[in-house]
Amino acid sequence: NAGVTQTPKFQVLKTGQSMTLQCAQDMNHNSMYWYRQDPGMGLRLIYYSASEGTTDKGEVPNGYNVSRLNKREFSLRLESAAPSQTSVYFCASSERSSGRAEQYFGPGTRLTVT
Amino acid sequence: KQEVTQIPAALSVPEGENLVLNCSFTDSAIYNLQWFRQDPGKGLTSLLLIQSSQREQTSGRLNASLDKSSGRSTLYIAASQPGDSATYLCAVMANAGGTSYGKLTFGQGTILTVHP
Repeated sequence: NAGVTQTPKFQVLKTGQSMTLQCAQDMNHNSMYWYRQDPGMGLRLIYYSASEGTTDKGEVPNGYNVSRLNKREFSLRLESAAPSQTSVYFCASSERSSGRAEQYFGPGTRLTVT
Repeated sequence: KQEVTQIPAALSVPEGENLVLNCSFTDSAIYNLQWFRQDPGKGLTSLLLIQSSQREQTSGRLNASLDKSSGRSTLYIAASQPGDSATYLCAVMANAGGTSYGKLTFGQGTILTVHP
């Protein structure tokens, strides 16, 4: 049981390049989330998917798109990377129907945009 | 808009001390509150989750309390050890039924250093 996995672990992009961050969970959770973590700003929600087939914006969605590929996988795409998107990105999942809705986090992707 | 504040921002204590980390939130309509630990360069590890109907949760040397009406939670760490050194994050989940359900709002964290 790997929990939440993310690829890649590290990435360096030039301004204007695009990339997709991958996230997968093996806990059969319905809900999945993408956060970014910046010094002095804490963790902020970018997008989330309450269940397969649905996605919704979080606090900081501009410059990002997401795809809930199936119940296991939730990807985050940067279409045209900007230096302001330099951050650490975390994916998380939870099972709301359990009543606890505890969120489990992946190890993160460290992205630098030059 | 929910705001979460953690005090102190940093704490340095000698090994063996008991310590308290504080978390406050502005909107008491929460579903649950989670305490996480984050080691440098790593992801978040869930330590304790308190449902809105609960007053406290315990796991080993950790005890978390919740006073929803006053918008406060504390994380108590007993007999601290150098291995407890990490950043501790508090996060609240909005109440069920609203459009914000499932979303976590995080505090800025408390950086804890326990020295031998």
